[in-house]
Amino acid sequence: DAKTTQPTSMDCAEGRAANLPCNHSTISGNEYVYWYRQIHSQGPQYIIHGLKNNETNEMASLIITEDRKSSTLILPHATLRDTAVYYCIVSPYTGNQFYFGTGTSLTVIP
Amino acid sequence: EAGVAQSPRYKIIEKRQSVAFWCNPISGHATLYWYQQILGQGPKLLIQFQNNGVVDDSQLPKDRFSAERLKGVDSTLKIQPAKLEDSAVYLCASSSRVGGFFAGELFFGEGSRLTVL
Repeated sequence: DAKTTQPTSMDCAEGRAANLPCNHSTISGNEYVYWYRQIHSQGPQYIIHGLKNNETNEMASLIITEDRKSSTLILPHATLRDTAVYYCIVSPYTGNQFYFGTGTSLTVIP
Repeated sequence: EAGVAQSPRYKIIEKRQSVAFWCNPISGHATLYWYQQILGQGPKLLIQFQNNGVVDDSQLPKDRFSAERLKGVDSTLKIQPAKLEDSAVYLCASSSRVGGFFAGELFFGEGSRLTVL
């Protein structure tokens, strides 16, 4: 079963930052936080992952709290193409138990 | 580099019939995952292979579902007999290992959409 809790849905204005929260209060020391997104009718797509330090790539930034019990995915300038379901996943470094939850449906509004 | 290939893309069967889905992962990827995604839900992990060995099949309904990856490359997922509630998209994903460790990214195929009537 998924070890994360996410809001069911969120809206964001185009061009603004989208901040997607995730709670993972039972995370273990060897577990990473992964974010994926799924655009309608496609397979999930990797966004970013981290262990305890904040991470940034060309798609997004990942902020993990110091106690690692929650994280936030930040899309700095949301576009209409960012409308998708976003999944937060907690999984050990082995890549095992890669369980998806129900995710957050993000709608970017023009 | 070629992505994860799946077939068929669409399949319609009647309940109690059988169906098989095929997946060819990205070349060199040792880990292969099968997920079931019912409409409106997140993907559910059915089975994970590491080479040709099963790592996790805890959520696979073993009375009707089976999967194999005999040569550690491509894989087949079978449902026999199918039920109405098996209507879903079946997603295959693969991942690589770097220095023996999970590289951090799963690559998904386009999925096989099953409708059971």
